[in-house]
Amino acid sequence: AQSVTQLGSHVSVSEGALVLLRCNYSSSVPPYLFWYVQYPNQGLQLLLKYTTGATLVKGINGFEAEFKKSETSFHLTKPSAHMSDAAEYFCAVSRDSGYALNFGKGTSLLVTP
Amino acid sequence: NAGVTQTPKFRVLKTGQSMTLLCAQDMNHEYMYWYRQDPGMGLRLIHYSVGEGTTAKGEVPDGYNVSRLKKQNFLLGLESAAPSQTSVYFCASSGVGQNSPLHFGNGTRLTVT
Repeated sequence: AQSVTQLGSHVSVSEGALVLLRCNYSSSVPPYLFWYVQYPNQGLQLLLKYTTGATLVKGINGFEAEFKKSETSFHLTKPSAHMSDAAEYFCAVSRDSGYALNFGKGTSLLVTP
Repeated sequence: NAGVTQTPKFRVLKTGQSMTLLCAQDMNHEYMYWYRQDPGMGLRLIHYSVGEGTTAKGEVPDGYNVSRLKKQNFLLGLESAAPSQTSVYFCASSGVGQNSPLHFGNGTRLTVT
């Protein structure tokens, strides 16, 4: 079954520093991968997705992620953190049934001044 | 541009009581889902539907029932609430295909005492 593992339940960065949130996947078939962001008391919003084609995927708010098949990874990065980036981030993979997504446990990003 | 709307936003139940959570989407999506979110657990799939009149079990279906009588609505029922069902419940919808992202509502926070 498809699954994702997010390394680090909490990540803290300084404003202006690089953001790196790690996600590794397990899949027996070519995966479709997603990153979502959740702000307090809100639902999840799609940041970006990888389906096929270009392995470097650009998303909203300056985030991007690179699909690396050899490392089974799909890490999320942003060159310069902003205070407004503080949120919970979830990596997700499509289920082999074709319906729904399997989510990681989430990484809480804290941005300090 | 309502997207996915969940009602109610908050609810407190006593053990043994029943309730229904309503989800409505206006994007003409075929697929709809119910997830629960618990601290440190990420999102876990309760039930899902791939079309009007169809439902299927997800990872954690026990204690819940669902119905999809109309394409735009997906109801989640708790027949006899238990404290273990204290959680935040999210409804989502998507188009057909594994590369279709999920669109989420803002959640229902349920407390069972």
